[in-house]
Amino acid sequence: EPEVTQTPSHQVTQMGQEVILRCVPISNHLYFYWYRQILGQKVEFLVSFYNNEISEKSEIFDDQFSVERPDGSNFTLKIRSTKLEDSAMYFCASTLENRNQPQHFGDGTRLSIL
Amino acid sequence: GENVEQHPSTLSVQEGDSAVIKCTYSDSASNYFPWYKQELGKGPQLIIDIRSNVGEKKDQRIAVTLNKTAKHFSLHITETQPEDSAVYFCAASLYTDKLIFGTGTRLQVFP
Repeated sequence: EPEVTQTPSHQVTQMGQEVILRCVPISNHLYFYWYRQILGQKVEFLVSFYNNEISEKSEIFDDQFSVERPDGSNFTLKIRSTKLEDSAMYFCASTLENRNQPQHFGDGTRLSIL
Repeated sequence: GENVEQHPSTLSVQEGDSAVIKCTYSDSASNYFPWYKQELGKGPQLIIDIRSNVGEKKDQRIAVTLNKTAKHFSLHITETQPEDSAVYFCAASLYTDKLIFGTGTRLQVFP
């Protein structure tokens, strides 16, 4: 069964540094998402992306965050200047279409900011 | 915006017993309600979902019920097994777009 894959599985970064989290969505999917899960808390929506544009973003997704689909397969989340509170699991998800098809999640990247 | 409450936060059952997890949502426009299972170190895995035009859906040992009037939906797991032990999240959304998750329920099934 096709999977969403995320790399790296664990990223350790110094505060203030830039970090890029990478995702390869399921190949024929068209809608892409990033979610965040702080340790022990619920999964929170960050951003949705379709047709090379952000469709919706949450309050968490401020100017320090950006997303990109640099080629036909990758979907990236960049945090420009990381803060301690950015430490969390980041999950990528994708779906074929956003009205009737469920989202499929990757196993996440654990981001640790020191 | 949408808010999803989930109870209980932890649930311990004996193998073979049933487990019920309940969620309430705030936005009456929400029409899609998935349940995800998250095992340690893994991403959320969809186990069952229900749309607002259906009151109940069943898949083997797992069922979900929806009460649109009360804005409640519940996950029912029958004949629980140790491999059912995980964190379960409910979610609500308009269609299958941005998911708003509940706070999660840690289910432990004891042999």
